[in-house]
Amino acid sequence: TQLLEQSPQFLSIQEGENLTVYCNSSSVFSSLQWYRQEPGEGPVLLVTVVTGGEVKKLKRLTFQFGDARKDSSLHITAAQPGDTGLYLCAGAQGSNYKLTFGKGTLLTVNP
Amino acid sequence: DAEITQSPRHKITETGRQVTLACHQTWNHNNMFWYRQDLGHGLRLIHYSYGVHDTNKGEVSDGYSVSRSNTEDLPLTLESAASSQTSVYFCASSPGQLSGYTFGSGTRLTVV
Repeated sequence: TQLLEQSPQFLSIQEGENLTVYCNSSSVFSSLQWYRQEPGEGPVLLVTVVTGGEVKKLKRLTFQFGDARKDSSLHITAAQPGDTGLYLCAGAQGSNYKLTFGKGTLLTVNP
Repeated sequence: DAEITQSPRHKITETGRQVTLACHQTWNHNNMFWYRQDLGHGLRLIHYSYGVHDTNKGEVSDGYSVSRSNTEDLPLTLESAASSQTSVYFCASSPGQLSGYTFGSGTRLTVV
């Protein structure tokens, strides 16, 4: 059983569209992070959310941590081809430094 | 600039051989991690270390070992390579939970 379920697995959209990807769990996390990975490279950290209900914005990307700290969402406004990549959520439990990753959402933004 | 480097980037080895993948970071991070990434499974934790001489097993540690003799390096050893260990391996380091991981660029290992 996957601790963190991401949906959708694949998403192909046109430039300028909005989209939301989800990261869900039945477990509580002390913090949750989102990463983006491009082909042939390691994941790169986008954001860390810690407080239930927290919302963080990074230019056109909006991240939300659920009130119960069991889920998170990533919303992209006016997607651009440069947003193409694999988006991964990852959670830490308790005071652990180790992260559990979801399987990712592969986003393709077509010009 | 500080960095985390993995070597080699690509390796082909034969079943049964011992293989060591290198990970070197100059961030001075105490926490280091090894993951493997496979289609359909995502990133899975192999081993991790919270400091010199500290090592811990992750969820898929069978057939792998690590040692931490200094802050900078956490080499991953496959004792006797198996075809099921064909994968892309990522090393990461972190100063703490809220800081996130810095990943290396990965090693693509093929066991034939």
